[in-house]
Amino acid sequence: RKEVEQDPGPFNVPEGATVAFNCTYSNSASQSFFWYRQDCRKEPKLLMSVYSSGNEDGRFTAQLNRASQYISLLIRDSKLSDSATYLCVVKGGSYIPTFGRGTSLIVHP
Amino acid sequence: GAVVSQHPSRVICKSGTSVKIECRSLDFQATTMFWYRQFPKQSLMLMATSNEGSKATYEQGVEKDKFLINHASLTLSTLTVTSAHPEDSSFYICSATSGGPYYEQYFGPGTRLTVT
Repeated sequence: RKEVEQDPGPFNVPEGATVAFNCTYSNSASQSFFWYRQDCRKEPKLLMSVYSSGNEDGRFTAQLNRASQYISLLIRDSKLSDSATYLCVVKGGSYIPTFGRGTSLIVHP
Repeated sequence: GAVVSQHPSRVICKSGTSVKIECRSLDFQATTMFWYRQFPKQSLMLMATSNEGSKATYEQGVEKDKFLINHASLTLSTLTVTSAHPEDSSFYICSATSGGPYYEQYFGPGTRLTVT
């Protein structure tokens, strides 16, 4: 089993739709979790950290489920500009992050 | 968010030459920097982790004599691709973090290397 797994997609959704991605991780000792966004031929950019209590930033909501070892990202009211690859990142006690392969989102008019 | 710069953004070199890529954290001290490589339509692949003042830790399968990493200060790390070959053509991205596992890492804009 891979350390961090994501459905590669692509998820094809119309503008205005709500879409959710999950990311599962295998190391139960993982301590911190992040979502990054990567546009084509660009570097990843931090979207949000994921806290135990869940957190929201505008149209984006991230949640952590330690019991089932997954994190989720919910995007409401999708915009064309949300089209990108969303990367899940998990860290254990060391500094070294483990990246998922990413989930591709395509928002169409 | 924090700013990480990378230079050059794009480089084309001939087979057999060496290329140096710089990664700088502009507004924070980066205790740890990471070097990644990404081939088209593939995920990021971690090449090595470097801590300031110590030798880099390379991932399995990454040749340390081919990919020389120097982390001379808290704001600068360099990756040198020695004797580059066409199969080394890729997108090289660095990232930096200022702390432990709860700290975010910030990515440089990447360097697109083409070896002819």
